[in-house]
Parts: sequence; C-alpha cells; structure tokens
Amino acid sequence: SYVLTQPPSVSVAPGKTARITCGRKNIGDKSVHWYQQKPGQAPVLVVYDDSDRPSGIPERISGSNSGDTATLTISGVEAGDEADYYCQVWDSTHEPYVVFGGGTKLTVL
Amino acid sequence: EVQLVESGGDLVQPGRSLRLSCTASGFTFGDYAMSWVRQAPGKGLEWVGFIRSKAYAGTTEYAASVKGRFTISRDDSKSIAYLQMNSLKTEDTGFYYCSRVNVVAERTDQDYWGQGTLVTVSS
Repeated sequence: SYVLTQPPSVSVAPGKTARITCGRKNIGDKSVHWYQQKPGQAPVLVVYDDSDRPSGIPERISGSNSGDTATLTISGVEAGDEADYYCQVWDSTHEPYVVFGGGTKLTVL
Repeated sequence: EVQLVESGGDLVQPGRSLRLSCTASGFTFGDYAMSWVRQAPGKGLEWVGFIRSKAYAGTTEYAASVKGRFTISRDDSKSIAYLQMNSLKTEDTGFYYCSRVNVVAERTDQDYWGQGTLVTVSS
C-alpha cells in the first residue's frame, strides 16, 4: 500500500530551522501538501503543491519535493510553531486515492 | 468567509448507524469536491473518503477501512455534505472533519476544514 514516512518527532531551538521530511519512493513525481495541527484544533493547510503557500502563511514556512523525499522547512522557529505536521498525497492512479503521513510532532525547545 | 460546520457526532453502540452533516457557507458549494478525514484519539489523520462535484458526476471514493460501510453524499441546494456510517465498529471512534478540496483551482489540497465532530462507538 501507499505509505508516506515521517519522523515521529523533531525538536528545534527557537530561531533555528526545522526540517520535517516525508518519504516515499518517487514522491517527487507527486504533489505534496502539508498541514499543521495544534492540540484541540482542526488541521490548517500550510503548503500545497510541494512549495506554494496559502495566503496568511508566513514566508518562513516553505516546502520542497524531489526524488524520494518531500521536506517542510520552517525557518526562524517560534514557540507558536509547535504542532503536529502531516504530509499528504493524492494519487488517482491507484487506491487509496488519498494518503496522509503518520505525522511529526514539532517541539520548540 | 468560508465556513464548514460538522454536526451529528454522538455515542453509538457497535453495529449501529450514524449520519454526519457538514454545512458549508461562504463559497459556491456545488463547484467543489468535499472530503472527510478522521482522527482517532491521540492518533494521526486518516482519510475517509471524498465526493466529487456534480461537474464530475458527484462520484465518490473511499478508504479501504470504510468501503462498503460508509457513504458520502451531497445536497448542493442546501450546501451540505453527508457521511452515512453503517455497521460502526469501535475502531471508528474519533473526530470526523469535513474539508473543501480546492478543485476549482485545479488543486487537490484541502484548503478549509471544519472544527470536527466526535463519534464514539462503544457498548
């Protein structure tokens, strides 16, 4: 089955750069979306189509996708960035059509 | 302002049925696909299924874990998407979110989400 692999946790000091990966063979051939979810809240889209940001998402949040790994990068990490982050791929060529990664807990030290 | 509001979550016994609703406002509902995503307590996001817009025949797709038990439908005149859940199992417990799929922009991301509704399946 289609599995997207994320590290369970990433820790970073304030002001530093956090990188959260999402791995799958040839994921670079697909569009990857990223969602942020804070405790008790609904997910929020932070990056779509690998590297585009919805309005209202700061420029310090960015994405990339190549080869077997997609990456969400958060520069100048702030305490408010502490959350769970999920990658997602839609693939109409086979089931399941939509897959989420297992999620990564970002901890700001 | 785009808003999605889920309702219908409840405590139900295994084997019973439940219907969730997602009431939309602030956009032309009929132009968009709508997706359901769930989250078991303390776990990650799990895609449940989605329904295409009428422009794409309103067809549906489901995750293997719910196929044959869950049905998604829509009433564009009321701007409501439904999730009919039959033969519920304890592992169906969790928060259920509806979300808008931004197909109008030829994208597949889910750009707006509701606040979720809690379904508890327990005897």
